[in-house]
This record gives sequence, C-alpha cells and structure tokens, in this order.
Amino acid sequence: GDSVTQMEGPVTLSEEAFLTINCTYTATGYPSLFWYVQYPGEGLQLLLKATKADDKGSNKGFEATYRKETTSFHLEKGSVQVSDSAVYFCALSDMIAAGNKLTFGGGTRVLVKP
Amino acid sequence: DVKVTQSSRYLVKRTGEKVFLECVQDMDHENMFWYRQDPGLGLRLIYFSYDVKMKEKGDIPEGYSVSREKKERFSLILESASTNQTSMYLCASSLGGVNSGNTIYFGEGSWLTVV
Repeated sequence: GDSVTQMEGPVTLSEEAFLTINCTYTATGYPSLFWYVQYPGEGLQLLLKATKADDKGSNKGFEATYRKETTSFHLEKGSVQVSDSAVYFCALSDMIAAGNKLTFGGGTRVLVKP
Repeated sequence: DVKVTQSSRYLVKRTGEKVFLECVQDMDHENMFWYRQDPGLGLRLIYFSYDVKMKEKGDIPEGYSVSREKKERFSLILESASTNQTSMYLCASSLGGVNSGNTIYFGEGSWLTVV
C-alpha cells in the first residue's frame, strides 16, 4: 500500500537557520502531496500542497517541490522563527470509496530556539 | 472559517468502559474522518464517512465503531476500552475529495487515557 517516510525528529535549530525536512513516499498511482503543521495544543492545519509532478507548493515562507523521479516532497524554509516550532507531517492522498484519504508520515518535531 | 469541534479535549476512562468521542462540523461537509495520532506513527485512519449513515473502515478499525446519523456529526465509539487505545484522536472533515482540490480540516483533538 501507499506509505510516507519522513525524517525523525526532534530537529533543533536556532532562529534564522535553514530548515529542511525530508519526505519520501511510495504510491501506486499519482497522488497529491501535502505538508500539515500541528502547533502545540492544536489540530493539524494544511501548510502547503502540490498536485502533480514538478509543482511547487509554498506558504508562510515554506516550500516543497513534488519530485516524481525521486518520489520526494522535502519541506524547506530559508529562515525559521521561534513561532515555527511545531510538528510537521508529510502526507499523500489516495482514492478510496467515494472520496480520498490521507496517508501520513510519522511527523517531525521542530524546535526553534531564540 | 470552517470549524471542526471535538466535544472532549481530555478524557480518562477505565478498561472495559464504553467510550464515545463526538465530533461536529459546521460547514455542511460530505466527508468526515477519525484518525488516531501516536508518536512516531503519525496519523492513522480509523473510519471515515462520505454521507449520512455511510461508513467505511480505514487502516485500523479494530476495536472501534462509528455513527453518522446527521451530516454534521460523526461519533467514534470504543465498545470496550483497552489500554492500547490510549492515544490522541483527531476528527476531520472535507467538502469533497482532496484530489479535487478540497481541504481536509481537523479538530483540536481528544486526548484519551485508558487506565
């Protein structure tokens, strides 16, 4: 079945550092890819998405490019802030029944220190 | 803004108890989902529903059941709670399929501890 693998955390950075979180996937079809973020005490929020190969999703300074040849969707941000401390989840969509479901990676906790 | 509300943020239940987790969404969404979140495992789909009274098993349905009597409400039921069901439970909803450009919205989660 489909699966998502992302780097384990925690990742600890200083403010203004460069952040990369690796994500690779296996899928039988042509999934859409997502990054979700979970801030402390909150539910998940969609951060960005890409629906086809070579698409780049971007939001709040974060970017990720859908790379079909390497089956990857790595998340990057050039200069992190303390407010970016959160757990980040990579996910792919899959067709089931009458709709879609999301398959998630294990999550990567990011801690940004001032 | 879309709001997905989970009725209980923190619950402590005894082994063998019947547990109800309630979820309500206010945007007339067709699809609703229940996930559990465990460290290192990410989110795993328990059940989902794409219409009233319709339900489909997800990846880990064992030990759980669901009910969707009204479009806005999706309940997760643990018939006889066990300690391995201690987890964070997340409800979600979407208007349609995410591959069609729809977004899945999540509630804040319910922390369940079974002792």
